[in-house]
Amino acid sequence: DSGVTQTPKHLITATGQRVTLRCSPRSGDLSVYWYQQSLDQGLQFLIQYYNGEERAKGNILERFSAQQFPDLHSELNLSSLELGDSALYFCASSEGGGPQETQYFGPGTRLLVL
Amino acid sequence: ILNVEQSPQSLHVQEGDSTNFTCSFPSSNFYALHWYRWETAKSPEALFVMTLNGDEKKKGRISATLNTKEGYSYLYIKGSQPEDSATYLCAFQPGNQFYFGTGTSLTVIP
Repeated sequence: DSGVTQTPKHLITATGQRVTLRCSPRSGDLSVYWYQQSLDQGLQFLIQYYNGEERAKGNILERFSAQQFPDLHSELNLSSLELGDSALYFCASSEGGGPQETQYFGPGTRLLVL
Repeated sequence: ILNVEQSPQSLHVQEGDSTNFTCSFPSSNFYALHWYRWETAKSPEALFVMTLNGDEKKKGRISATLNTKEGYSYLYIKGSQPEDSATYLCAFQPGNQFYFGTGTSLTVIP
C-alpha cells in the first residue's frame, strides 16, 4: 500500500457525460500527478500539481481539467466523455515539487465509457 | 513526441537466471530516468530515480545503470525469482514532463 488513495475504483458512464476522479496523496506529500493508461497507449502523463498550483502539463485534453485543494487532495474532471477516454487513471504523489523525486502511485480508477 | 523504447518487449527466464533489459531515450535535455516495477492488477512501484551519467543504483537483487550521453539505461535482475515476474517500466524526464516506455514483461518460470 503506497498511501495514495483514489476513488472511485471503477466508474461506468456514457458518452457525453462528465465525471470526477479523486486522489488523496500520501501524508506530507505536496505534489500530485495524474496519468492515463489506455489499451492502445502506454502510460501517459497528464498533469502535475504542487501545493495547489499547476506545475507541469503533459498530454491532457482540453476536455479534462484538474485541481489541487488546500488539503492537498486533487480531482481530475473529465467532460464530454468519448469512448476513447476509457482507461485506467492513476494518481501519484511525491514529497516536494522537484521533478527528480520518487513518485508513489495510487491503485487507479478504471473508467469505462459506453 | 519523445521516443522512449524498451527492449525486449517480453522475456521468459528460468528461476535463478540473471537477466537484463534496456531503456533507450533521447540523449539531449536529460533530467532524470525513472524505473518502475508493475505487477498485474497493481499500480506501478518506484524502483529507482537516476539522475547522473554513470549512476548505478541497487535494491536487493535489482540494479540499474545509466548512460545519458548515449541515451540508455540497463536494469539487471540477479538470480530471478517467480516473484520478480512483472512489467518493468522506464520513464524519461526532460524537465517537468514524463515519457514512458511500453515496458518489458518479465516472466520467471519456477
